[in-house]
Amino acid sequence: SQTIHQWPATLVQPVGSPLSLECTVEGTSNPNLYWYRQAAGRGLQLLFYSVGIGQISSEVPQNLSASRPQDRQFILSSKKLLLSDSGFYLCAWSAGTAAFFGQGTRLTVV
Amino acid sequence: DQQVKQNSPSLSVQEGRISILNCDYTNSMFDYFLWYKKYPAEGPTFLISISSIKDKNEDGRFTVFLNKSAKHLSLHIVPSQPGDSAVYFCAAIGGNAGGTSYGKLTFGQGTILTVHP
Repeated sequence: SQTIHQWPATLVQPVGSPLSLECTVEGTSNPNLYWYRQAAGRGLQLLFYSVGIGQISSEVPQNLSASRPQDRQFILSSKKLLLSDSGFYLCAWSAGTAAFFGQGTRLTVV
Repeated sequence: DQQVKQNSPSLSVQEGRISILNCDYTNSMFDYFLWYKKYPAEGPTFLISISSIKDKNEDGRFTVFLNKSAKHLSLHIVPSQPGDSAVYFCAAIGGNAGGTSYGKLTFGQGTILTVHP
């Protein structure tokens, strides 16, 4: 069966520091991968998606970037965090007609 | 532009009764509609989906209804249980011409369901 791992679960980072969140998927090949963010009191917003290694599409302009160095690995990064980057970040993979999510990372930028 | 909307921020229901969660959409090109359940500090859990060519899908206590002409779908939970208390998100896949949505989900804002014992 397929599983998705996301870490860390929580992170507190100072403004201006770098960020790296990692997500890996097991039990499937060539999945579509996604990064979503849930800001406080809001729904889930798609940040990035990837249909293959090295292929990244950004949905909204922002201070973040994503990379897919391996088929089942998806990384969310920032060179310098802003206060507005605080939120709950979710990695997901898609089987075409549904998406399955990791447990999320609570990022607090202070 | 909010293409998927859940206009009720919250819903309170008595245990054993029916919970009806509503969702409206604007993009007629969506292919699939999904419902997710989310607890605080956890990722959303997939509950049930429906293809745009169907009008009903049932899985145990959960039934999703789709009214394409009204661009409206609903999730019925019956009987409701206290463990159903969570945030429920409606989501849609598709919406792009030529099948280029790549499985991206467009989410509603969520509805907080509280089931009282």
